[in-house]
Amino acid sequence: GAGVSQSPSNKVTEKGKDVELRCDPISGHTALYWYRQSLGQGLEFLIYFQGNSAPDKSGLPSDRFSAERTGGSVSTLTIQRTQQEDSAVYLCASSLVEGEGGYTFGSGTRLTVV
Amino acid sequence: GENVEQHPSTLSVQEGDSAVIKCTYSDSASNYFPWYKQELGKRPQLIIDIRSNVGEKKDQRIAVTLNKTAKHFSLHITETQPEDSAVYFCAASRGDYKLSFGAGTTVTVRA
Repeated sequence: GAGVSQSPSNKVTEKGKDVELRCDPISGHTALYWYRQSLGQGLEFLIYFQGNSAPDKSGLPSDRFSAERTGGSVSTLTIQRTQQEDSAVYLCASSLVEGEGGYTFGSGTRLTVV
Repeated sequence: GENVEQHPSTLSVQEGDSAVIKCTYSDSASNYFPWYKQELGKRPQLIIDIRSNVGEKKDQRIAVTLNKTAKHFSLHITETQPEDSAVYFCAASRGDYKLSFGAGTTVTVRA
């Protein structure tokens, strides 16, 4: 596609429920990243995928968070048993080559846990 | 891992004046330094970047300088305009992956 597409744009969920966030990167971009941005805060790294290599999961805050990338394209970030502190904007980005040329970000998913 | 610190956290300037944002990084192996602009409610967008083999880069009213020895880099915006109001993030990486971002600077340009 023309840009990085994320869905849903907004998600309100009850505490304890599971949620799935989707990211569709730019076609041909081999690197895909998930970041979290809490209100008024910076960008917190969560996970990184590069081609068929094992993902770098070092930023995932707990084992309730997981992500997968199918066929080297679409990625899904899953948060199980959501907590109020999970409320944030979840941003996906992709790049043509690892890190080079900068990321292209999606518009994000605003997650609110009530 | 890489740690990027960004100052100031907020910056208010008169329209037409210059704005300067400074970042320091901890990993001497970092070699790629992009800057992102995030307008309210929108996605971060790359505005300029610099690599470690270059000391300065300019694009119209914005410029970035890099001091590898001191491990700091700065964004300079000249002749500021109201549309420059946004949150600006610096970042650093080894050029392979995983940008580490600063906490952001909220720039307000007063008319």
